[in-house]
Amino acid sequence: AQSVAQPEDQVNVAEGNPLTVKCTYSVSGNPYLFWYVQYPNRGLQFLLKYITGDNLVKGSYGFEAEFNKSQTSFHLKKPSALVSDSALYFCAVRAYTGTASKLTFGTGTRLQVTL
Amino acid sequence: DAGVIQSPRHEVTEMGQEVTLRCKPISGHNSLFWYRQTMMRGLELLIYFNNNVPIDDSGMPEDRFSAKMPNASFSTLKIQPSEPRDSAVYFCASTAPGQLPRQYFGPGTRLTVT
Repeated sequence: AQSVAQPEDQVNVAEGNPLTVKCTYSVSGNPYLFWYVQYPNRGLQFLLKYITGDNLVKGSYGFEAEFNKSQTSFHLKKPSALVSDSALYFCAVRAYTGTASKLTFGTGTRLQVTL
Repeated sequence: DAGVIQSPRHEVTEMGQEVTLRCKPISGHNSLFWYRQTMMRGLELLIYFNNNVPIDDSGMPEDRFSAKMPNASFSTLKIQPSEPRDSAVYFCASTAPGQLPRQYFGPGTRLTVT
């Protein structure tokens, strides 16, 4: 069965500093990985996805994620954090059942960016 | 495009009452997902439909929960009878046809059962 792990409940970073939100995965076959962000009182929003190709995936709002097959990781990164990046971030892996795709989400990591 | 529409946005009800949550997916999307989010359990997939047919309902907590999708533009999640432990935010999401779609989430329904 597919699964993702987000080892940090919360990440704190000062504005302007680089940020990393960690995610590791476990899948059989090729991994299809996603990052979503949830702002307060909102639904999840898609940030980026990795399917195949370049290990560095660029997404919305200046975020990027690095796929590392040997470490089974898909960490989310941003070179310079903004206070407005403060939100809950979810890593997810796709499971394809043959008729539809469903996502298995991690437990989420709360990112807090301070001035 | 209005996105995924959920109603109501907030629901407060008393234990034992029936609760119906509604979802309108994005037009043209053929898969629909119901999730529940709580602080304790995080984001849980309850059930999902493909072309209006339930594919996997293994996440439905118990028989008090039921979901229907009578047509491509409407789905309901019903809890009968409701209990305080059902209090959560319920999200609906839809995806476009294809093997590797991204999910589009609605704004959620915050349910409080007293």
